Amino acid sequence: KQEVTQIPAALSVPEGENLVLNCSFTDSAIYNLQWFRQDPGKGLTSLLLIQSSQREQTSGRLNASLDKSSGRSTLYIAASQPGDSATYLCAGGTSYGKLTFGQGTILTVHP
Amino acid sequence: NAGVTQTPKFRVLKTGQSMTLLCAQDMNHEYMYWYRQDPGMGLRLIHYSVGEGTTAKGEVPDGYNVSRLKKQNFLLGLESAAPSQTSVYFCASSRTTPSGAQGFYGYTFGSGTRLTVV
Repeated sequence: KQEVTQIPAALSVPEGENLVLNCSFTDSAIYNLQWFRQDPGKGLTSLLLIQSSQREQTSGRLNASLDKSSGRSTLYIAASQPGDSATYLCAGGTSYGKLTFGQGTILTVHP
Repeated sequence: NAGVTQTPKFRVLKTGQSMTLLCAQDMNHEYMYWYRQDPGMGLRLIHYSVGEGTTAKGEVPDGYNVSRLKKQNFLLGLESAAPSQTSVYFCASSRTTPSGAQGFYGYTFGSGTRLTVV
């Protein structure tokens, strides 16, 4: 059974800092690895999706990497802003697009 | 706006009552999913569908039924609600890459239904 773990559970940083969120998974037979953002009381917004054949994806200030052999993914956020404050979830995708989620990292960026 | 629409957004049920949650997507996605989100548990898959007329069990299917009579709609039913089903329910849809079922993209989530069973 796939298990996804995210570290740290919570992170508080000053504005402008670069930061890294970590995600680990137990079953390397994933089809993709996806990072989502969730604001309080809201749904999930897809940030980056890395297919199993890829090593990384970039979108603006966000960069996500995938290392299937070690069972790890990282989400790098450059020059953090208060608007980046949210819960960040990673999820491993398997057959039929099913996702197994980690419990999330609560990020607070203070001015 | 295009995307995934969930109704209702909030609901309070008494134990033993039944209800249906509706999910509708207008992106012509083949795959649809129902997840529940509980504090400390993350999101867990309840049921999913790989196409019109098909459904399959996920990680936590007990106490729920689903139907997908039309490609754009995926219904989640609670026949006899229990307090353990108090949760936030999310519907999602996705489509495969051109190479087929090995890759997926286009994951879109609805805004959720907050259900309380008393």
